[in-house]
Amino acid sequence: DSGVTQTPKHLITATGQRVTLRCSPRSGDLSVYWYQQSLDQGLQFLIQYYNGEERAKGNILERFSAQQFPDLHSELNLSSLELGDSALYFCASSVKDRGYGYTFGSGTRLTVV
Amino acid sequence: DAKTTQPPSMDCAEGRAANLPCNHSTISGNEYVYWYRQIHSQGPQYIIHGLKNNETNEMASLIITEDRKSSTLILPHATLRDTAVYYCIALSGGYQKVTFGTGTKLQVIP
Repeated sequence: DSGVTQTPKHLITATGQRVTLRCSPRSGDLSVYWYQQSLDQGLQFLIQYYNGEERAKGNILERFSAQQFPDLHSELNLSSLELGDSALYFCASSVKDRGYGYTFGSGTRLTVV
Repeated sequence: DAKTTQPPSMDCAEGRAANLPCNHSTISGNEYVYWYRQIHSQGPQYIIHGLKNNETNEMASLIITEDRKSSTLILPHATLRDTAVYYCIALSGGYQKVTFGTGTKLQVIP
């Protein structure tokens, strides 16, 4: 157990639908990062939050949005889903004391049918 | 953020040392070199990191060249459980847009 919790582990939904992925960071970590990993691809950076505020944005689609709440958990919202959105979605958290290294959750596997 | 380059795949015989190279020629002075591995579709697992000096922990050793433009991850006695994709990235404090490349797929052969 890495200390980063992601729910749900698996999600199957239809095209056009909306889903919410949840991430609870490791205790004490203020930064949360979201990554997307399509089949046989590397991890693509989507977005970073620090203590509730958006701090860095990657090539995140306009149909996707995220937020970090006062208790530091984060949610990634994916809407108008397309088949190509099927992927693993990972959340990671970090803290300065660990040299800013990431701790990853076990991911959410999203399948759009 | 510095871009890293790794060979797409490597094989290593079980029990031998696995040496995985990484090029990070554009790394800046405050960026650490981090290594992670991903087994199947699990979340990437931290292995080791360093800034300038060589580092060793219970999992691996990290050798960073003096000019910091490249590094090598060494798994001293590879086992079948070390078969995974290994990622090398450069991280600094602050707000980062780090994308992991496709890494090196290490196959440990019995």
